[in-house]
Amino acid sequence: GQQVMQIPQYQHVQEGEDFTTYCNSSTTLSNIQWYKQRPGGHPVFLIQLVKSGEVKKQKRLTFQFGEAKKNSSLHITATQTTDVGTYFCGGSQGNLIFGKGTKLSVKP
Amino acid sequence: DAGVTQSPTHLIKTRGQQVTLRCSPKSGHDTVSWYQQALGQGPQFIFQYYEEEERQRGNFPDRFSGHQFPNYSSELNVNALLLGDSALYLCASSLGGEYSPLHFGNGTRLTVT
Repeated sequence: GQQVMQIPQYQHVQEGEDFTTYCNSSTTLSNIQWYKQRPGGHPVFLIQLVKSGEVKKQKRLTFQFGEAKKNSSLHITATQTTDVGTYFCGGSQGNLIFGKGTKLSVKP
Repeated sequence: DAGVTQSPTHLIKTRGQQVTLRCSPKSGHDTVSWYQQALGQGPQFIFQYYEEEERQRGNFPDRFSGHQFPNYSSELNVNALLLGDSALYLCASSLGGEYSPLHFGNGTRLTVT
């Protein structure tokens, strides 16, 4: 069955440093969605990528969808303490299958 | 505009018992998906309901069943509870279709003792 893998599992950064998480699927995806879950909270939708090679930006966040539509990345420039949380990618082939997430901690 | 609401927020059950969790979708949404999230893990897809029918199902045993009502609200039932069923159960609503973002509720924290 479809599998979605994310690396790294944990990332500890100093405030102001950059952060990147990577997402890989075992199968070609129709689209990929990114979510953020704050500690004690629920996943909140960030963005969706649909086209091969697509790049989208949201302020300090940059999202990419691979050419083969099997991988994706989320890059945060100059992290802030408000970026703390776990970032999940969800790959879709009908229903959304999530990776295990990357937990980001930011030291002020 | 009410978001996704789930009840109860917390629940403690004994092994072998049965449990029912409830979800009201965001206004205007017609599709409800249920996920199980163990501590430190990503949400695992249980099943999705649309037009009162189970449209897709993940790799969960038949002990997990669900229902969707005409008003789009949904229930998740788990029979013969096991210790390993302890998790956060998340309900997510959407407009249907695989391109529609999911709106999650706050979840129900189930503890099986």
